[in-house]
Amino acid sequence: GQQVMQIPQYQHVQEGEDFTTYCNSSTTLSNIQWYKQRPGGHPVFLIQLVKSGEVKKQKRLTFQFGEAKKNSSLHITATQTTDVGTYFCAGYPTDSWGKFQFGAGTQVVVTP
Amino acid sequence: DADVTQTPRNRITKTGKRIMLECSQTKGHDRMYWYRQDPGLGLRLIYYSFDVKDINKGEISDGYSVSRQAQAKFSLSLESAIPNQTALYFCATSGPRGGRGYYTDTQYFGPGTRLTVL
Repeated sequence: GQQVMQIPQYQHVQEGEDFTTYCNSSTTLSNIQWYKQRPGGHPVFLIQLVKSGEVKKQKRLTFQFGEAKKNSSLHITATQTTDVGTYFCAGYPTDSWGKFQFGAGTQVVVTP
Repeated sequence: DADVTQTPRNRITKTGKRIMLECSQTKGHDRMYWYRQDPGLGLRLIYYSFDVKDINKGEISDGYSVSRQAQAKFSLSLESAIPNQTALYFCATSGPRGGRGYYTDTQYFGPGTRLTVL
């Protein structure tokens, strides 16, 4: 079964609002990656976090990797219509090198 | 990413038919992956290959086989297609930046193949 869980599955956001999507793994991950898939498109890499407790920012996006390397979050501030899409987290367990597991994704819909 | 191509882009086939999906990359990466995407399930790993002689089963390999013909080519086969293999299939690659140097796990996805099995 799926070992990397993402919540929420859907996120309706008013333009200008903030939201957070969460990723939780049942196993310790070597690293965590985040991807964005626009409707009709393919997943595109956003960022990778490697260290325990790491926080990285990309403009309005803030990514965090948990201390135990089992969870992660993506926070978007002042949501824009360009943020529409599905956001996936992905990683592989420390004992299964390269065997990537993706979360089911958070589909984001932005209302103007 | 234009450096990763998949053929065909769309395919409709019938139950029991053999079908091959092809993936080629010009990124010089050694690692290649096949995923399927279903609504609500995200991407699930079918097979992955670290080089031409190293092929590994992913989470859902039953009913699929792969061939790594060269570093740049990785094919996925459905020996006898069934309707629940209807899905969007993605190929991805990862490897050193620019084909050499520092290695990264970043995956670069192809445009996908939409497969329908009737």
